[in-house]
Amino acid sequence: AQTVTQSQPEMSVQEAETVTLSCTYDTSESDYYLFWYKQPPSRQMILVIRQEAYKQQNATENRFSVNFQKAAKSFSLKISDSQLGDAAMYFCAYRSYPRDDKIIFGKGTRLHILP
Amino acid sequence: SAVISQKPSRDICQRGTSLTIQCQVDSQVTMMFWYRQQPGQSLTLIATANQGSEATYESGFVIDKFPISRPNLTFSTLTVSNMSPEDSSIYLCSVGFRAKADTQYFGPGTRLTVL
Repeated sequence: AQTVTQSQPEMSVQEAETVTLSCTYDTSESDYYLFWYKQPPSRQMILVIRQEAYKQQNATENRFSVNFQKAAKSFSLKISDSQLGDAAMYFCAYRSYPRDDKIIFGKGTRLHILP
Repeated sequence: SAVISQKPSRDICQRGTSLTIQCQVDSQVTMMFWYRQQPGQSLTLIATANQGSEATYESGFVIDKFPISRPNLTFSTLTVSNMSPEDSSIYLCSVGFRAKADTQYFGPGTRLTVL
């Protein structure tokens, strides 16, 4: 069975600085998707970024980028120029393709932004 | 993406009662899912809501406790039956499009407290 591990329950970063959130996963599949979701205090789950496993190029969305290391089964999220609005719970998630629609979530990392 | 609404946004219920949560999407979607997020925890998939047929439940969740309906491609309900304090959680609806089969979008969630 697939698992997703986020080893950092909480992190803090100074406003305007860069922070990296870690995520590792375990799977025997070769094709899958990886996601980072953000959940602010409003509890709305917001998709931050997605990565297809077959793509070697790391995904980027504005200030958010990932470091996808398929062989190491690592999928970290880098947030550049951190803003107060980035404060939230961040979940790393895995979905196999095309076999299963189920998304498996990690336990989350709570990110604090220090003014 | 899609605009997803859930009703109610929150509720406080007495032990032994039932609550039905509604999920409405502004466009037709292929897949609808129900997740539970217990306090301070990650998301766990309860079931996949199938249009016109019985929902597909994950291990540990049963239809008698969490009956689900999906009468059409834009609407689903989840009922939490015979509630106990252990059912206090956030319940989230999510949707997926077959054309964008990799990504799920989440509703704002329903915060349930059982006394």
